[in-house]
Amino acid sequence: AQSVTQPDIHITVSEGASLELRCNYSYGATPYLFWYVQSPGQGLQLLLKYFSGDTLVQGIKGFEAEFKRSQSSFNLRKPSVHWSDAAEYFCAVGLTTSGTYKYIFGTGTRLKVLA
Amino acid sequence: EAQVTQNPRYLITVTGKKLTVTCSQNMNHEYMSWYRQDPGLGLRQIYYSMNVEVTDKGDVPEGYKVSRKEKRNFPLILESPSPNQTSLYFCASSLWGGQLSNQPQHFGDGTRLSIL
Repeated sequence: AQSVTQPDIHITVSEGASLELRCNYSYGATPYLFWYVQSPGQGLQLLLKYFSGDTLVQGIKGFEAEFKRSQSSFNLRKPSVHWSDAAEYFCAVGLTTSGTYKYIFGTGTRLKVLA
Repeated sequence: EAQVTQNPRYLITVTGKKLTVTCSQNMNHEYMSWYRQDPGLGLRQIYYSMNVEVTDKGDVPEGYKVSRKEKRNFPLILESPSPNQTSLYFCASSLWGGQLSNQPQHFGDGTRLSIL
């Protein structure tokens, strides 16, 4: 069955430190991959997406993600975290099955930033 | 302004009392979807629609109904709500480019439902 795994439920980093959030997927082909961010009381905002081509994709707010086919991973990174990055982050895949199109989300990683 | 609008934002109601959560988008998107978000479970897709009069079940459709009579609207109906449907609900929409669509979704701000 298709699935998305975010192994880290909570991550705490100091402001200015680097960040990596992990995401692994299970799917027979290369899916469409997304990272979303959810600030408290808000809906989800797209950070970046990967469909094909260059495996390192740039997104908004200084985030980037790297697709590694051999590891079925799509990890999100940021070189220097800001206090405003504290939020919950969701990895998602879009996939086609039997002529329909579905999204599957991971369970999320909540990021806390220490001043 | 491009947006997905959900109403109500908050609702407290009782078991068995039918309710409808409305969702409207002004981007002429073909694809619309409903999710519920629960702690530790992330977002789970309830129903989705690829165009007018075309709907399909997601991963957790039990206890919910949807309709897509107009392109812009995609209401979520709970005919007989139960406490296990207490959750945070999100509506989302996106362009639909065909079978291998790669469009990201635009989300509403969420509806928090409490079923007593």
